[in-house]
Amino acid sequence: DQQVKQNSPSLSVQEGRISILNCDYTNSMFDYFLWYKKYPAEGPTFLISISSIKDKNEDGRFTVFLNKSAKHLSLHIVPSQPGDSAVYFCAASGYRGSTLGRLYFGRGTQLTVWP
Amino acid sequence: DTGVSQDPRHKITKRGQNVTFRCDPISEHNRLYWYRQTLGQGPEFLTYFQNEAQLEKSRLLSDRFSAERPKGSFSTLEIQRTEQGDSAMYLCASSLELLNTEAFFGQGTRLTVV
Repeated sequence: DQQVKQNSPSLSVQEGRISILNCDYTNSMFDYFLWYKKYPAEGPTFLISISSIKDKNEDGRFTVFLNKSAKHLSLHIVPSQPGDSAVYFCAASGYRGSTLGRLYFGRGTQLTVWP
Repeated sequence: DTGVSQDPRHKITKRGQNVTFRCDPISEHNRLYWYRQTLGQGPEFLTYFQNEAQLEKSRLLSDRFSAERPKGSFSTLEIQRTEQGDSAMYLCASSLELLNTEAFFGQGTRLTVV
């Protein structure tokens, strides 16, 4: 049972524009969400995270938004750069008050940023 | 510290053989995780350790799979009597025992069972 869903397998964006990657989850007990980026033949690299007590977290060009009532989060990349081309995974963890444990991953979205 | 290290990077084995993978976590991290990733899927949780204690195991971890972390540092994942369905990328990650922290992943071991 997929508790974290990324319904868009791919996204293509022009350089300089905004990339928006979406993620939905089903388990209301999740309280910590992470985005990872993965290049071919490498392990996932942590990008940005958000706790359920927040609705937005920003780090440079990357912003993650969390809508708890809709069980939805999104990653915004502005401006997009060709080096951002990779597979992006959404992950969820935790039950309130617990330390990081297993992560539940979506299937990923392949982002392609073209010049 | 060079991050999470996995060995080997690639392994080709014949069906029915046993294989063992090693993971060296970031030195100060007391939590260590194993995941498996197949084509078109996200990483799937297998098991994790806090120090030497195995805290959780997924249903994916059949009797043919065993993981150890004997001294709370490096970990091994053994697959006995490999099957073609075991072909996947095996990822190791480590983290601190904290709220709202991230797990750092190694580059993975690509297993091909022929």
